[in-house]
This record gives sequence, C-alpha cells and structure tokens, in this order.
Amino acid sequence: DAGVIQSPRHEVTEMGQEVTLRCKPISGHNSLFWYRQTMMRGLELLIYFNNNVPIDDSGMPEDRFSAKMPNASFSTLKIQPSEPRDSAVYFCATSRAGQGGDGYTFGSGTRLTVV
Amino acid sequence: SQKIEQNSEALNIQEGKTATLTCNYTNYSPAYLQWYRQDPGRGPVFLLLIRENEKEKRKERLKVTFDTTLKQSLFHITASQPADSATYLCAPSDTGRRALTFGSGTRLQVQP
Repeated sequence: DAGVIQSPRHEVTEMGQEVTLRCKPISGHNSLFWYRQTMMRGLELLIYFNNNVPIDDSGMPEDRFSAKMPNASFSTLKIQPSEPRDSAVYFCATSRAGQGGDGYTFGSGTRLTVV
Repeated sequence: SQKIEQNSEALNIQEGKTATLTCNYTNYSPAYLQWYRQDPGRGPVFLLLIRENEKEKRKERLKVTFDTTLKQSLFHITASQPADSATYLCAPSDTGRRALTFGSGTRLQVQP
C-alpha cells in the first residue's frame, strides 16, 4: 500500500495565484480529512469528507478555500486567490469510517509558500 | 470552549529513562483518545488509541493512561532511545464527532 499520496510536496506561488493541492486516499478508507499546520496554530482541521460527501467544513478559513472529492480516489483543496498568510503545511489524512477508533493515516503534506 | 493542553516546552531526557508526556483537555467528553508521533517534515503517525472505559493501554515500550475524571492522558515511553526523539500529539475525540482535533504537541529529545 502506497499510503496517502499528496502532491505537490512543495509549492511556491505568488500572492493572488490559484493553488490546487491534491490527495489520493488509501483504498478502502472512506473518510478523508484536510488539515493545515503552522507553528503558531498547530494542526487545524479544515474540512472532512465521509463517503465523498463533505460533512464539516467549519474549519475552512474563508471563501477563498474550497475542497472537492469527486470520487473515492481523489480529493483537491483549492485556494483562490492565495495570500501570504496561507503559507503552511497542508496535510491530507484518511481513515476507515465506522464507530470511531481507527487511527488516521496522514500523507507527507504539501508545504505551501505564498510570496 | 474546547481546549487541549500539551506541554509546549521540549522534554529532554537521557537514553534509557522513561519519558512521560501529558495531555490535558477541557470541555471534551471523549469516547477515546489517540496519540501520534510527528517527525520534522513528515505527517503525524498514529501510535495508540485508548477508549474511555480503558484505564491503560500498552504497545511494546509505549504505555498510555486515560483518566476521564482528571481529564488527562499520560503517554509513557520506557527505555527511551534517541530514535524516540520526535513531537508527540494527543487527540481526544468527542462522542459522535468524527474528526479529530489535535493538541499542539510536545517535543521529546532523548540524549544518548
């Protein structure tokens, strides 16, 4: 199993540009989570999906952020337009849905720098 | 509001000693609590899960306790090794809430 695959690993973009982060979950994991990590705020939940359906997007900072999961094998997190304060490491994590208690498997993250 | 507190100061210990990390939480009623390890430049890795009806859980050199009265979990690494150096994150999970919220983590440094 290749684990949770995120791309790109690093992204440097100019303020105002659109950024798209991608995640391929582990096969059979039907819960998918997007987190953002910074030194100041730690690991913050942005949005999560269950069976491709967004369940809770209350962590999405503002309308500039959007996330989709068109099928069980792929999810995207888009920022448009990007701002310097969006600079962070963005993680995708997946788990098997159920009664809870399954650990999350995280991807290696995308380090985003907006200049 | 809900709060998860982990010691923000790094914990430095000598190789072979037992490391103990603390996770305190407020305004949670966790059905279970999870611990993760994070190395620099990498995503967190799941280590252990303990349920509310379990007082203690062990896995190799790791031991986790869970006191729902004190609202606290302790994470122990016995016979610590320099390879155990990392940041350790706790995540209590409220009953009925599917997504985890993580503490800010405690950095452990094991000196050879």
